[in-house]
Amino acid sequence: QQQVKQSPQSLIVQKGGISIINCAYENTAFDYFPWYQQFPGKGPALLIAIRPDVSEKKEGRFTISFNKSAKQFSLHIMDSQPGDSATYFCAASKETSGSRLTFGEGTQLTVNP
Amino acid sequence: EAEVAQSPRYKITEKSQAVAFWCDPISGHATLYWYRQILGQGPELLVQFQDESVVDDSQLPKDRFSAERLKGVDSTLKIQPAELGDSAMYLCASRGQGSYEQYFGPGTRLTVT
Repeated sequence: QQQVKQSPQSLIVQKGGISIINCAYENTAFDYFPWYQQFPGKGPALLIAIRPDVSEKKEGRFTISFNKSAKQFSLHIMDSQPGDSATYFCAASKETSGSRLTFGEGTQLTVNP
Repeated sequence: EAEVAQSPRYKITEKSQAVAFWCDPISGHATLYWYRQILGQGPELLVQFQDESVVDDSQLPKDRFSAERLKGVDSTLKIQPAELGDSAMYLCASRGQGSYEQYFGPGTRLTVT
C-alpha cells in the first residue's frame, strides 16, 4: 500500500523559476514530514522538514507548505538553480512506529541554465 | 560535521554468494535504520535498531537477510545467498534520541550478476 504519493515524476524548470513538488499521504497518524534531496550515487540528504502543527516552514530558498485537512504537503524551491538538479523525495513518519520513514516515489528535477 | 559512514561503497557479487555491508552511525545516535532503494524508487525500510535491539524487521526477507548491531554502535547487514533481485542501493540512517531527523550515509551500491 502506497501511503505517500508524490507528483510530478519529473519536472523541468528554467533557472530562476519556482519548482513545486507535491505529496499526499493517507495515514493521519503521521506526525513528521521531511523532504530529502538525492544526487546520483549519493545517499538522501535532509533538506527541510515540518510537523503538522504549522502550515508553512521556510529555510532559505526552500519552503514547505502543509495542509493537514487535505493531507497534502508541498516543496517550493524559489529561484531554482542548476545545482538544484537532483531527485527529491517527500517522506512521512510517526513517532509511535519508531519514526520509520515512508517515502514517496521521487521527483527528478532538472533546472536548465 | 558528523556523518553516517558506510562501506563498501560499491559491491559486485555473483548470484548465490554471500555479501555484507557495514554502517557506522553518527556518534551517540541510538536508533539505526537499514533501507533498500531500488533504482528509480524511494528507499524502503528493511530493519530498525534501538541500541542493540531490533524493533522492526517486518520487511526484512529473513530467509536470506540478517542484520546485527551487537554493541549498539555499528551494524552489519548480510545477504546469503544473494539473488539478482537484490541489486539495489543499501542505505543506512541514524537518528538521535528525542529527534525526528534521520541522517543517511552514502549507501552501498550492490550489483548481483
